[in-house]
Amino acid sequence: DAGVTQSPTHLIKTRGQQVTLRCSPKSGHDTVSWYQQALGQGPQFIFQYYEEEERQRGNFPDRFSGHQFPNYSSELNVNALLLGDSALYLCASSWTESSYEQYFGPGTRLTVT
Amino acid sequence: GQNIDQPTEMTATEGAIVQINCTYQTSGFNGLFWYQQHAGEAPTFLSYNVLDGLEEKGRFSSFLSRSKGYSYLLLKELQMKDSASYLCAVGDSNYQLIWGAGTKLIIKP
Repeated sequence: DAGVTQSPTHLIKTRGQQVTLRCSPKSGHDTVSWYQQALGQGPQFIFQYYEEEERQRGNFPDRFSGHQFPNYSSELNVNALLLGDSALYLCASSWTESSYEQYFGPGTRLTVT
Repeated sequence: GQNIDQPTEMTATEGAIVQINCTYQTSGFNGLFWYQQHAGEAPTFLSYNVLDGLEEKGRFSSFLSRSKGYSYLLLKELQMKDSASYLCAVGDSNYQLIWGAGTKLIIKP
């Protein structure tokens, strides 16, 4: 039973560029949440996708957008990258949008130079 | 506003016991979670408390007092592999987790 997978593992981008991160949920899960975790901080909720729609959103600008596909996998897109976007981006999946039981992927380490 | 506080860093000795505290003020409460996170890795679930009292799971125990907005994670018989960050998170009324900044636990031989 495959757990949550994310790609790529690491990524280096330049300010102003755009980036796409990918996540495949745990088998049987239909909800994907994305988090940003800066060094030494707890995860900050970006948004959640369920039934291919953004259901909830945290306090992040519109530069952060996402998508969920029919197979429940998801993408996180960040436009006009800033140095402050450097962080570990975590994807978590759950059975439904109303479940706290979240399983995390290994994360994507994004460095913006 | 929403606020979760936990100590930034703690140090303990191998074989000893350590208690990591967490206090919270959130709009809505649907349980308190503890996660372990090793450096550069994803958080992994440790415990969940929704009712007051102590939940024991092997070497780890977690306590909750809803009236005081307080929880602690107790780690017994510490091992070197327990060196990690421990994150406290509260489930809000929208089924989202509000996270603390984490407590970095350093285990010394």
